[in-house]
Amino acid sequence: GAVVSQHPSRVICKSGTSVKIECRSLDFQATTMFWYRQFPKKSLMLMATSNEGSKATYEQGVEKDKFLINHASLTLSTLTVTSAHPEDSSFYICSAIAGVNTGELFFGEGSRLTVL
Amino acid sequence: AQSVSQHNHHVILSEAASLELGCNYSYGGTVNLFWYVQYPGQHLQLLLKYFSGDPLVKGIKGFEAEFIKSKFSFNLRKPSVQWSDTAEYFCAVNVNQAGTALIFGKGTTLSVSS
Repeated sequence: GAVVSQHPSRVICKSGTSVKIECRSLDFQATTMFWYRQFPKKSLMLMATSNEGSKATYEQGVEKDKFLINHASLTLSTLTVTSAHPEDSSFYICSAIAGVNTGELFFGEGSRLTVL
Repeated sequence: AQSVSQHNHHVILSEAASLELGCNYSYGGTVNLFWYVQYPGQHLQLLLKYFSGDPLVKGIKGFEAEFIKSKFSFNLRKPSVQWSDTAEYFCAVNVNQAGTALIFGKGTTLSVSS
């Protein structure tokens, strides 16, 4: 199956700093990627849809100025958590669609962000 | 908008017991259906998926699911669970067209005692 890789897998930062998480499709081109957030013992919440070469589409309630998403190439999307606060601590997971007209998503390993 | 309901929040079973986890979705059109598993400390892993065809889908590790369109359901089953099946299970759905995100249910925690 297609491989999606995230980096870093774990990051600890101080409150007020910004953190960038990368999501790469390793063996396919991904026109569309999705960013999810998972709280402990909770389901995955869709944050935004990232389309290569255009602005991301954010879900209701997700602050686009806080969670900056860039999808500059067909193999890379980045999520930047700006001015992070402890409540932003979470598990962030990206996923990508491999191929045209397929409904299957492939998920990255996730990135655990801890804001002190 | 689509939504997914998983009725069982936490299921506790003994080894060799049979498992059925409920999943219902709400959407009037054609959907793709998925079950994912997340073992402690690990990332999501696809168990099985349904796009079309035979409504009884077999996945990895002995799991299967049945799509019942009239009930908007996609329940996950396994005839005999093992201790290693202890994990979080997520049902997910997306609209059957390119470029749509998966919407997840809240998840079911399965605890299997040996």
